[in-house]
Amino acid sequence: AQSVSQHNHHVILSEAASLELGCNYSYGGTVNLFWYVQYPGQHLQLLLKYFSGDPLVKGIKGFEAEFIKSKFSFNLRKPSVQWSDTAEYFCAVKAAGNKLTFGGGTRVLVKP
Amino acid sequence: GAGVSQSPSNKVTEKGKDVELRCDPISGHTALYWYRQSLGQGLEFLIYFQGNSAPDKSGLPSDRFSAERTGGSVSTLTIQRTQQEDSAVYLCASSLGTSGARSTDTQYFGPGTRLTVL
Repeated sequence: AQSVSQHNHHVILSEAASLELGCNYSYGGTVNLFWYVQYPGQHLQLLLKYFSGDPLVKGIKGFEAEFIKSKFSFNLRKPSVQWSDTAEYFCAVKAAGNKLTFGGGTRVLVKP
Repeated sequence: GAGVSQSPSNKVTEKGKDVELRCDPISGHTALYWYRQSLGQGLEFLIYFQGNSAPDKSGLPSDRFSAERTGGSVSTLTIQRTQQEDSAVYLCASSLGTSGARSTDTQYFGPGTRLTVL
């Protein structure tokens, strides 16, 4: 069965700092990859997704992620964070079948 | 357009009681999923419906959990004889339901139902 690891459980940074959240998965076949975000008091929202093609995908709110197949990774990045990026971020993988397997989530706190 | 809706938003129940949680998917979405978000276990898949096919129940934690989807739209997740470890946020998601190696199917989530078992 596939698994997803997010290495950082909590990240604290200041506004304008750069953000990178790690995500690694274990599955040898074709995968679809997703990052979801959950802002305080809100529901899970899709941030970006990768299905095929260019391994560098751009999402909403200035986020991007790079799929590196050889490293089984799909790291999320943002060059300059804002206070409004405070949220919990979840990496998810869809392999065989349609269900999503989620990582444990990373809580990001951006200090104003 | 309207997103996935779930009701109730909060449910407090006593141990041993049965509860029903409802999900209304996005109009036109043929696939519907239930997940559970809890402190100890993170986000876990429970069950998946696709059209008229038999549901994938592989994530249901025990036979106290069941779900149905009537008319290919609304779904109800039922938990019988609730236990304290059932306390969690139950999330519903829906998608267009395309499948296969080239599928770009994307799941959209509802706000969840927070279940507290006393």
